[in-house]
Amino acid sequence: QKEVEQNSGPLSVPEGAIASLNCTYSDRGSQSFFWYRQYSGKSPELIMFIYSNGDKEDGRFTAQLNKASQYVSLLIRDSQPSDSATYLCAPWMDSSYKLIFGSGTRLLVRP
Amino acid sequence: DTGVSQNPRHKITKRGQNVTFRCDPISEHNRLYWYRQTLGQGPEFLTYFQNEAQLEKSRLLSDRFSAERPKGSFSTLEIQRTEQGDSAMYLCASSPELESTNEQFFGPGTRLTVL
Repeated sequence: QKEVEQNSGPLSVPEGAIASLNCTYSDRGSQSFFWYRQYSGKSPELIMFIYSNGDKEDGRFTAQLNKASQYVSLLIRDSQPSDSATYLCAPWMDSSYKLIFGSGTRLLVRP
Repeated sequence: DTGVSQNPRHKITKRGQNVTFRCDPISEHNRLYWYRQTLGQGPEFLTYFQNEAQLEKSRLLSDRFSAERPKGSFSTLEIQRTEQGDSAMYLCASSPELESTNEQFFGPGTRLTVL
């Protein structure tokens, strides 16, 4: 079992729709979770992080965390073509001070 | 520009040659990380420094790889006797030492091509 699993996609949504990106992780000790966006050929860019169960909203982005289910998601409201990118989920490993990245989900927002 | 910087941005080398990359973290960030990323994969952890101390190194990292952060500021990553499998994007990230967050900020990366 991979430490972090994400559907590789592509996830295709029309402009203005809600995009839902999902991630599961194996280490129950992970306490905080990061979402990064990566455009093709560029480095990852931090979108937001969450460490409490429930929802955290930041503009058009909402992160959701369920530690019991070892599941974290990212919702993007009012999706724009500029949101087309790969989204990386990364739990923080408290025991070793590092992020473990999933392979990412590619999102395509159709105009 | 106060972000993480990396040099060079691109490096093409022949198999068997040594290469060295440099990373300058965000000023006053104590933690510095090196990652490697290949096409279709997420960044893979290589090593981590807190100030000048190298606290962790991936067991997947061969002895051909070495990293330093001599004064707790910039860091270098050296690959000796490069192989074609070393071709990848090498990413550096830095993070402040704060209890409340472990956000990492990435540099633009160095793309290595081994011929």
